Amino acid sequence: GAVVSQHPSWVICKSGTSVKIECRSLDFQATTMFWYRQFPKQSLMLMATSNEGSKATYEQGVEKDKFLINHASLTLSTLTVTSAHPEDSSFYICSAKSGLNTEAFFGQGTRLTVV
Amino acid sequence: AQKITQTQPGMFVQEKEAVTLDCTYDTSDQSYGLFWYKQPSSGEMIFLIYQGSYDEQNATEGRYSLNFQKARKSANLVISASQLGDSAMYFCAMREGRRSSASKIIFGSGTRLSIRP
Repeated sequence: GAVVSQHPSWVICKSGTSVKIECRSLDFQATTMFWYRQFPKQSLMLMATSNEGSKATYEQGVEKDKFLINHASLTLSTLTVTSAHPEDSSFYICSAKSGLNTEAFFGQGTRLTVV
Repeated sequence: AQKITQTQPGMFVQEKEAVTLDCTYDTSDQSYGLFWYKQPSSGEMIFLIYQGSYDEQNATEGRYSLNFQKARKSANLVISASQLGDSAMYFCAMREGRRSSASKIIFGSGTRLSIRP
Protein backbone atom coordinates (compact mmCIF):
# COMPACT_ATOMS: atom_id res chain seq x y z
CA GLY A 1 0.00 0.00 0.00
CA ALA A 2 0.89 3.66 -0.16
CA VAL A 3 3.06 5.23 2.51
CA VAL A 4 2.07 8.08 4.77
CA SER A 5 4.73 9.47 7.07
CA GLN A 6 3.83 11.39 10.19
CA HIS A 7 6.35 13.37 12.17
CA PRO A 8 7.17 13.55 15.00
CA SER A 9 6.14 10.21 16.42
CA TRP A 10 6.10 11.68 19.89
CA VAL A 11 6.52 15.12 21.39
CA ILE A 12 6.52 16.62 24.85
CA CYS A 13 5.87 20.32 25.15
CA LYS A 14 5.24 22.89 27.84
CA SER A 15 1.78 24.21 28.48
CA GLY A 16 1.13 27.35 26.44
CA THR A 17 3.43 26.49 23.57
CA SER A 18 2.44 25.42 20.07
CA VAL A 19 3.24 22.11 18.41
CA LYS A 20 3.24 21.31 14.71
CA ILE A 21 2.63 17.80 13.41
CA GLU A 22 3.39 16.92 9.80
CA CYS A 23 1.68 14.35 7.63
CA ARG A 24 3.30 13.49 4.31
CA SER A 25 2.21 11.16 1.54
CA LEU A 26 5.46 9.74 0.19
CA ASP A 27 4.43 8.00 -3.00
CA PHE A 28 1.07 9.40 -4.00
CA GLN A 29 -0.75 12.69 -4.23
CA ALA A 30 -3.09 13.12 -1.30
CA THR A 31 -6.03 15.20 -2.42
CA THR A 32 -7.67 14.69 0.95
CA MET A 33 -6.20 14.31 4.40
CA PHE A 34 -7.98 13.52 7.63
CA TRP A 35 -6.86 14.30 11.15
CA TYR A 36 -7.98 12.14 14.04
CA ARG A 37 -7.52 12.25 17.77
CA GLN A 38 -7.44 9.15 19.93
CA PHE A 39 -7.57 9.10 23.72
CA PRO A 40 -6.21 6.04 25.51
CA LYS A 41 -8.32 2.94 24.96
CA GLN A 42 -10.80 4.88 22.88
CA SER A 43 -11.67 5.09 19.23
CA LEU A 44 -10.43 7.52 16.63
CA MET A 45 -12.41 10.74 16.60
CA LEU A 46 -12.34 12.69 13.36
CA MET A 47 -11.22 16.25 13.95
CA ALA A 48 -11.15 17.68 10.46
CA THR A 49 -10.97 16.94 6.77
CA SER A 50 -8.68 18.93 4.55
CA ASN A 51 -8.54 19.13 0.78
CA GLU A 52 -5.45 20.43 -0.93
CA GLY A 53 -5.60 24.15 -1.47
CA SER A 54 -8.77 24.79 0.48
CA LYS A 55 -9.75 25.40 4.08
CA ALA A 56 -10.22 22.44 6.34
CA THR A 57 -13.67 21.29 7.36
CA TYR A 58 -13.81 20.81 11.11
CA GLU A 59 -16.06 18.41 12.96
CA GLN A 60 -18.52 19.77 15.48
CA GLY A 61 -16.87 20.66 18.75
CA VAL A 62 -13.36 20.98 17.34
CA GLU A 63 -11.90 24.46 17.76
CA LYS A 64 -10.46 25.54 14.44
CA ASP A 65 -8.45 28.34 16.03
CA LYS A 66 -6.80 25.89 18.37
CA PHE A 67 -6.15 23.13 15.88
CA LEU A 68 -4.80 24.82 12.77
CA ILE A 69 -4.71 22.64 9.70
CA ASN A 70 -2.83 23.52 6.55
CA HIS A 71 -2.89 21.42 3.40
CA ALA A 72 -0.79 23.54 1.11
CA SER A 73 0.45 20.81 -1.21
CA LEU A 74 -0.63 17.41 -2.48
CA THR A 75 1.90 15.67 -0.28
CA LEU A 76 1.84 17.61 2.97
CA SER A 77 -0.69 18.54 5.61
CA THR A 78 0.15 20.01 8.99
CA LEU A 79 -1.75 20.17 12.25
CA THR A 80 -0.68 22.84 14.70
CA VAL A 81 -1.91 22.63 18.25
CA THR A 82 -1.78 26.21 19.47
CA SER A 83 -1.37 27.21 23.08
CA ALA A 84 -1.36 23.58 24.11
CA HIS A 85 -2.76 22.54 27.48
CA PRO A 86 -2.47 19.24 29.35
CA GLU A 87 -5.96 18.24 28.19
CA ASP A 88 -4.67 18.35 24.61
CA SER A 89 -2.40 15.43 25.42
CA SER A 90 -3.49 12.65 23.11
CA PHE A 91 -2.56 10.48 20.15
CA TYR A 92 -3.02 12.35 16.88
CA ILE A 93 -3.10 10.40 13.65
CA CYS A 94 -3.53 11.48 10.07
CA SER A 95 -4.75 9.61 7.05
CA ALA A 96 -4.52 10.47 3.38
CA LYS A 97 -6.34 9.40 0.25
CA SER A 98 -6.02 10.15 -3.39
CA GLY A 99 -8.99 11.21 -5.46
CA LEU A 100 -11.77 8.67 -5.50
CA ASN A 101 -9.63 5.83 -4.24
CA THR A 102 -11.38 3.73 -1.66
CA GLU A 103 -8.66 3.34 0.87
CA ALA A 104 -7.21 5.97 3.16
CA PHE A 105 -3.68 5.29 4.36
CA PHE A 106 -2.66 6.18 7.88
CA GLY A 107 0.45 7.74 9.30
CA GLN A 108 2.19 6.26 12.30
CA GLY A 109 0.58 8.72 14.70
CA THR A 110 1.98 11.33 17.06
CA ARG A 111 1.78 11.01 20.79
CA LEU A 112 1.54 14.50 22.25
CA THR A 113 2.16 15.10 25.93
CA VAL A 114 1.66 18.59 27.31
CA VAL A 115 3.27 19.20 30.69
CA ALA B 1 -26.70 8.74 16.91
CA GLN B 2 -23.86 6.26 16.85
CA LYS B 3 -23.08 5.24 13.33
CA ILE B 4 -20.76 2.31 13.92
CA THR B 5 -21.31 -0.11 16.78
CA GLN B 6 -18.84 -2.69 17.98
CA THR B 7 -20.41 -4.50 20.91
CA GLN B 8 -17.38 -6.55 21.95
CA PRO B 9 -14.90 -4.44 23.91
CA GLY B 10 -12.59 -7.43 24.32
CA MET B 11 -12.22 -10.99 23.13
CA PHE B 12 -9.93 -13.89 23.99
CA VAL B 13 -9.38 -16.61 21.41
CA GLN B 14 -7.19 -19.69 21.33
CA GLU B 15 -4.44 -19.67 18.73
CA LYS B 16 -5.40 -21.30 15.41
CA GLU B 17 -9.12 -20.86 16.05
CA ALA B 18 -11.31 -18.66 13.90
CA VAL B 19 -12.75 -15.50 15.39
CA THR B 20 -15.59 -13.20 14.40
CA LEU B 21 -15.56 -9.54 15.37
CA ASP B 22 -18.96 -7.90 15.23
CA CYS B 23 -19.82 -4.61 13.61
CA THR B 24 -23.17 -3.01 12.88
CA TYR B 25 -23.70 0.31 11.22
CA ASP B 26 -26.38 2.87 10.60
CA THR B 27 -26.72 4.99 7.51
CA SER B 28 -29.44 6.31 5.27
CA ASP B 29 -27.14 6.42 2.26
CA GLN B 30 -27.45 3.79 -0.43
CA SER B 31 -23.78 4.10 -1.32
CA TYR B 32 -21.23 3.61 1.41
CA GLY B 33 -18.11 1.66 2.22
CA LEU B 34 -17.07 -0.44 5.18
CA PHE B 35 -13.53 -0.99 6.43
CA TRP B 36 -11.70 -2.92 9.06
CA TYR B 37 -8.44 -1.68 10.52
CA LYS B 38 -6.01 -3.29 12.94
CA GLN B 39 -4.18 -1.16 15.50
CA PRO B 40 -1.32 -2.88 17.35
CA SER B 41 0.11 -1.42 20.52
CA SER B 42 2.52 0.69 18.49
CA GLY B 43 -0.43 2.77 17.35
CA GLU B 44 -0.35 2.60 13.58
CA MET B 45 -3.54 1.79 11.73
CA ILE B 46 -3.27 -1.16 9.38
CA PHE B 47 -5.88 -1.52 6.67
CA LEU B 48 -7.29 -5.04 6.52
CA ILE B 49 -10.29 -5.22 4.25
CA TYR B 50 -12.91 -3.17 2.43
CA GLN B 51 -16.51 -3.83 1.37
CA GLY B 52 -18.52 -1.53 -0.83
CA SER B 53 -22.25 -1.34 -0.33
CA TYR B 54 -22.88 -2.46 -3.90
CA ASP B 55 -20.40 -5.31 -3.83
CA GLU B 56 -22.36 -8.52 -4.25
CA GLN B 57 -19.71 -10.81 -2.90
CA ASN B 58 -18.18 -10.73 0.55
CA ALA B 59 -14.69 -9.29 0.55
CA THR B 60 -11.76 -11.56 1.36
CA GLU B 61 -8.09 -10.78 1.93
CA GLY B 62 -6.00 -13.76 2.91
CA ARG B 63 -7.10 -14.88 6.38
CA TYR B 64 -9.56 -11.99 6.63
CA SER B 65 -13.08 -12.07 5.30
CA LEU B 66 -15.94 -9.69 5.77
CA ASN B 67 -19.38 -11.16 6.41
CA PHE B 68 -21.55 -8.47 4.86
CA GLN B 69 -25.25 -8.69 5.75
CA LYS B 70 -26.70 -5.61 4.09
CA ALA B 71 -30.29 -6.05 5.27
CA ARG B 72 -29.09 -6.43 8.86
CA LYS B 73 -26.54 -3.63 8.42
CA SER B 74 -23.76 -5.75 9.75
CA ALA B 75 -20.19 -6.15 8.55
CA ASN B 76 -18.48 -8.68 10.75
CA LEU B 77 -14.80 -9.46 10.35
CA VAL B 78 -13.80 -13.11 10.33
CA ILE B 79 -10.19 -14.04 10.99
CA SER B 80 -9.40 -17.64 10.19
CA ALA B 81 -6.62 -19.61 11.87
CA SER B 82 -5.76 -16.88 14.34
CA GLN B 83 -2.11 -16.20 15.15
CA LEU B 84 -0.42 -14.62 18.14
CA GLY B 85 0.40 -11.61 16.00
CA ASP B 86 -3.30 -10.96 15.53
CA SER B 87 -3.52 -9.63 19.09
CA ALA B 88 -4.45 -5.96 18.67
CA MET B 89 -7.31 -3.49 18.63
CA TYR B 90 -9.64 -3.87 15.66
CA PHE B 91 -11.75 -1.02 14.38
CA CYS B 92 -14.70 -1.16 12.05
CA ALA B 93 -15.16 2.01 10.00
CA MET B 94 -17.55 3.42 7.47
CA ARG B 95 -17.37 5.90 4.63
CA GLU B 96 -20.75 7.47 4.13
CA GLY B 97 -22.15 8.64 0.86
CA ARG B 98 -20.93 8.28 -2.66
CA ARG B 99 -17.24 7.89 -3.02
CA SER B 100 -15.77 11.34 -3.32
CA SER B 101 -12.55 13.01 -2.43
CA ALA B 102 -14.01 14.42 0.77
CA SER B 103 -15.99 11.43 2.05
CA LYS B 104 -15.01 11.07 5.65
CA ILE B 105 -14.40 7.80 7.43
CA ILE B 106 -15.79 7.31 10.91
CA PHE B 107 -14.80 4.60 13.36
CA GLY B 108 -16.43 2.29 15.85
CA SER B 109 -15.25 1.98 19.44
CA GLY B 110 -13.05 -1.00 18.69
CA THR B 111 -12.56 -4.56 19.92
CA ARG B 112 -9.41 -5.67 21.68
CA LEU B 113 -8.53 -9.14 20.47
CA SER B 114 -6.14 -11.26 22.50
CA ILE B 115 -4.87 -14.56 21.11
CA ARG B 116 -3.92 -17.22 23.68
CA PRO B 117 -1.04 -19.58 22.81
